[in-house]
Amino acid sequence: GESVGLHLPTLSVQEGDNSIINCAYSNSASDYFIWYKQESGKGPQFIIDIRSNMDKRQGQRVTVLLNKTVKHLSLQIAATQPGDSAVYFCAENSTPGNTGFQKLVFGTGTRLLVSP
Amino acid sequence: NAGVTQTPKFRILKIGQSMTLQCTQDMNHNYMYWYRQDPGMGLKLIYYSVGAGITDKGEVPNGYNVSRSTTEDFPLRLELAAPSQTSVYFCASSYRNAGNQPQHFGDGTRLSIL
Repeated sequence: GESVGLHLPTLSVQEGDNSIINCAYSNSASDYFIWYKQESGKGPQFIIDIRSNMDKRQGQRVTVLLNKTVKHLSLQIAATQPGDSAVYFCAENSTPGNTGFQKLVFGTGTRLLVSP
Repeated sequence: NAGVTQTPKFRILKIGQSMTLQCTQDMNHNYMYWYRQDPGMGLKLIYYSVGAGITDKGEVPNGYNVSRSTTEDFPLRLELAAPSQTSVYFCASSYRNAGNQPQHFGDGTRLSIL
């Protein structure tokens, strides 16, 4: 079955370090991937996305890397700040049924803890 | 813009009671979604809508109903609350299909069934 998983449930880093959050996906037909950040008591907030025709995309302090050969996705956060402390989710798209509707399949999340 | 607004933020129900979780968006998005998030789990799709008057089941629709009479509103109805429905519920929206662009989420409704 389809699944999106994370290697590390909790990642602890020092302020100023670079953080890397990893994600494995199982559906080789997925062609869109997305990272969300969820702070306590809030809804998921879009960080960055990438399509399967790319292997790297950069945003402000964040970079997403896609390795389709091993079905692996990673989120890199440069100069991690205390405000980056949150749960980070990856998701991939999936096309169930014959309606053409594409849904997102979410991983279980990695908690990032940033110490001052 | 307020984005996606969910009400109430918290609610406690007794088994067998019913309630409606409200969701409204002001971004003129065609697609709207309801998810539930259980502790330590990823978001699971309950229902979705591709436009006013059109809804369809997601992965975990049992025990829920939805309607979409306007572009802005997408309420989720629990008819006979059960303890298994204790969860955090998120509403989301997107202009086009979720499979190729980000969804915008509300801040959730925390629901406990006792």
